[in-house]
Formats: sequence, C-alpha cells, structure tokens
Amino acid sequence: DAGVIQSPRHEVTEMGQEVTLRCKPISGHDYLFWYRQTMMRGLELLIYFNNNVPIDDSGMPEDRFSAKMPNASFSTLKIQPSEPRDSAVYFCASSPAPLGNYGYTFGSGTRLTVV
Amino acid sequence: GENVEQHPSTLSVQEGDSAVIKCTYSDSASNYFPWYKQELGKRPQLIIDIRSNVGEKKDQRIAVTLNKTAKHFSLHITETQPEDSAVYFCAEYSGGSNYKLTFGKGTLLTVNP
Repeated sequence: DAGVIQSPRHEVTEMGQEVTLRCKPISGHDYLFWYRQTMMRGLELLIYFNNNVPIDDSGMPEDRFSAKMPNASFSTLKIQPSEPRDSAVYFCASSPAPLGNYGYTFGSGTRLTVV
Repeated sequence: GENVEQHPSTLSVQEGDSAVIKCTYSDSASNYFPWYKQELGKRPQLIIDIRSNVGEKKDQRIAVTLNKTAKHFSLHITETQPEDSAVYFCAEYSGGSNYKLTFGKGTLLTVNP
C-alpha cells in the first residue's frame, strides 16, 4: 500500500484565491481526518469523516473552509477565499476502526503559503 | 479527551544520554495513548503506543509508561542518537462517540553528537 497520499506537496497562492487540497486514504480505512499544523497552534483537527460522512467539523475555522469525501478513496479540503493566516501544513490521516487498536497514518502533508 | 499537556516543549541531550517526555491528560475515560515522531519537513509517524490495561511497553530503545491514577504517561528514549532528533507528540483517545485523537503541543528533542 502506498500509504495516505496528499497533493499537492506545496501550494503558493495569492490572497483571495481558491485552494483545493486532496487526499487519498489507505484502502479499507474507515476514518479520514484533516489536520492543520502551525508553530503557534500545533496539530489542530479540522474535520473527520467516517465511511465518507462528516462526523465532527467543529475544528473548521470558518465558513471559508469546506471539506468533502465523495467516496471512500478521495477527500478534498477547500479554502475560498484564502487568507495569509491560512498558511500552514495541512495533513490528512486515515485509520481503520477501532482507533484504540491502530492509531493514525498521516500523509506527507501539503505546505500552503498564501501571499 | 479534550486536554493533553506535554512537557517539556524543548529538550536537548548529549548523545548516549536518556530523554524523557511527559504528558498529562484530564479524561479518566482515556484508554489509548500513542506517541508520534515528526522529523523536520516530514509527516508524524507512530512510534509506540500503550493501552490503559498496560503499565509499560518497550520497543528496543524506546519505552512508554502509563500511570492511570495520576493521569500521566511518559516516553523514555535510552542511548539517544542524533537521528532521534525530532518533534515528539503524545496523544490520547477516550473512545465513545468522539473518534479522534487529542494531541499534545509537541516536544522538540535535539540530540547533540
């Protein structure tokens, strides 16, 4: 298995532009998580899905952020419009159930820079 | 689990010495405690985990201990090597309907040759 695959690895965009981050979880993993990592705030959970259904989006910072999981092998995190404070590394992670036996596998992340 | 405190935030040791990182949690229902290592520019990777029915677990030079009464767990690295330099995150999971890990803020470990 190739692990959790994220694209792009790096994204530089201008303020106000739409940004779409992509994730392919490990096949057979029922749970998918989107995290944001910054020096100041550490790893923040934005949203997670179970069997393609969003379960907890309480970490999504504001309406500019949206996430979808149209099928078991693909998820997107969209920021529209982007702002400089959105600059961070965005990680996708997946996990089989039950979590207490396996933990997460993280993707390589997308480093987003909004200028 | 909603709160995990991790200390210290930075730790510098000489090669060959031991390193200890400690985390405390608040939810008595927490039952799974993984540790992740993140090298510079890389993804966090699971290095060891422990469940609430176990007090200690070892894997070569790393070990994790759990004290459920005091609600804390620790990562121990012995005979440290320069390649152990990384940021280490603890996490906890309390189960139930909230199926997510809560992470500590991380510890930057530097092993000086």
